[in-house]
Amino acid sequence: DAGVIQSPRHEVTEMGQEVTLRCKPISGHDYLFWYRQTMMRGLELLIYFNNNVPIDDSGMPEDRFSAKMPNASFSTLKIQPSEPRDSAVYFCASRSTGGFSYGYTFGSGTRLTVV
Amino acid sequence: GDSVTQMEGPVTLSEEAFLTINCTYTATGYPSLFWYVQYPGEGLQLLLKATKADDKGSNKGFEATYRKETTSFHLEKGSVQVSDSAVYFCALNYGGATNKLIFGTGTLLAVQP
Repeated sequence: DAGVIQSPRHEVTEMGQEVTLRCKPISGHDYLFWYRQTMMRGLELLIYFNNNVPIDDSGMPEDRFSAKMPNASFSTLKIQPSEPRDSAVYFCASRSTGGFSYGYTFGSGTRLTVV
Repeated sequence: GDSVTQMEGPVTLSEEAFLTINCTYTATGYPSLFWYVQYPGEGLQLLLKATKADDKGSNKGFEATYRKETTSFHLEKGSVQVSDSAVYFCALNYGGATNKLIFGTGTLLAVQP
């Protein structure tokens, strides 16, 4: 298995532009999570899906952030418009229903820089 | 609410020194406990886990024991290497309806030759 795949690895964009981050979870995993990592706030859970349905989006910081999961093998996190304070590393993770005691599998992350 | 508290870093050690990174948790139920490691420029990798009290998780020379009486899950290694330099995260989660993996703030370990 190739693991959780995120793209792009790095993204540099100008303030006000739309940014779309992508994630392909491990096949067969029915939970998908989006995290954001910054020096100031550590790892924050933004949103998670179960069977492609958003379950908890209480961590999404503002309406500028949105996430979708149109099918079991693909999810996007969109920021529109982007701001410099959105600069962070964004991680996607997945796990299976019975796998809570086995932890999550994380992708390599997307480093976003908004200038 | 549920939370995880880790010792502040950075922790700086010489090669072959003994490592302890403290982790305590607050939980209303009986969570599973994890240690994740993040090497520079990479994502988080599961290092070890324990699913019930008195369980010992171990991997790559690292160990941690699930202590319910002290609500702790301290990470230890008898002899660290330069290649162990990374950020270590303690975390907990439950199954069922509560799926959030709750992380501590992370502890940076720097091992010097």
